[in-house]
Amino acid sequence: AQSVTQLGSHVSVSEGALVLLRCNYSSSVPPYLFWYVQYPNQGLQLLLKYTSAATLVKGINGFEAEFKKSETSFHLTKPSAHMSDAAEYFCAVTLTDKLIFGTGTRLQVFP
Amino acid sequence: NAGVMQNPRHLVRRRGQEARLRCSPMKGHSHVYWYRQLPEEGLKFMVYLQKENIIDESGMPKERFSAEFPKEGPSILRIQQVVRGDSAAYFCASSPGQRSTDTQYFGPGTRLTVL
Repeated sequence: AQSVTQLGSHVSVSEGALVLLRCNYSSSVPPYLFWYVQYPNQGLQLLLKYTSAATLVKGINGFEAEFKKSETSFHLTKPSAHMSDAAEYFCAVTLTDKLIFGTGTRLQVFP
Repeated sequence: NAGVMQNPRHLVRRRGQEARLRCSPMKGHSHVYWYRQLPEEGLKFMVYLQKENIIDESGMPKERFSAEFPKEGPSILRIQQVVRGDSAAYFCASSPGQRSTDTQYFGPGTRLTVL
């Protein structure tokens, strides 16, 4: 069975600092991986997805993630945080149809 | 270019009442998924439907919950005899196809409060 683990339910960074949100997956075969962002009282918006093409995936709003099979990781990064990045971020995995989500990481950005 | 639409956005029910949540997928999408988000938790898959068919309901509670996606009209998630534990945000997503790589596009959710 597939699963994802997001380390750190809360991450705080200063504006302009590096953002690193961690996601590790568990799957018997190479999975497809997604990062979604959720702003307060809104639905989820896709940031980026890995579908077995390039291991470094670039998404919207300056985010990117690297698929590392040896580490079973798919960490999300952004070189310089903006105040508008404050939100909840979810990593998800799928092999078939349904998405399996992690428990989320709430990102706070301080001025 | 309307996205996934859900209504109502907020729904308040008393214990024992029925809740009906509606989801209209993006234009051209025939695959609908329902997820539930409990407070301070991630989203949990409930059910996957195509037009007139339930494809995967492995995440649906065995009792009181049902879902449909008729040939015409929105997908409906129905909760009978609601209990306080049903209070959650319910999200609908749609995709153009059933491949694992197809992006699921999410609606804004329906926040159900059971008094």
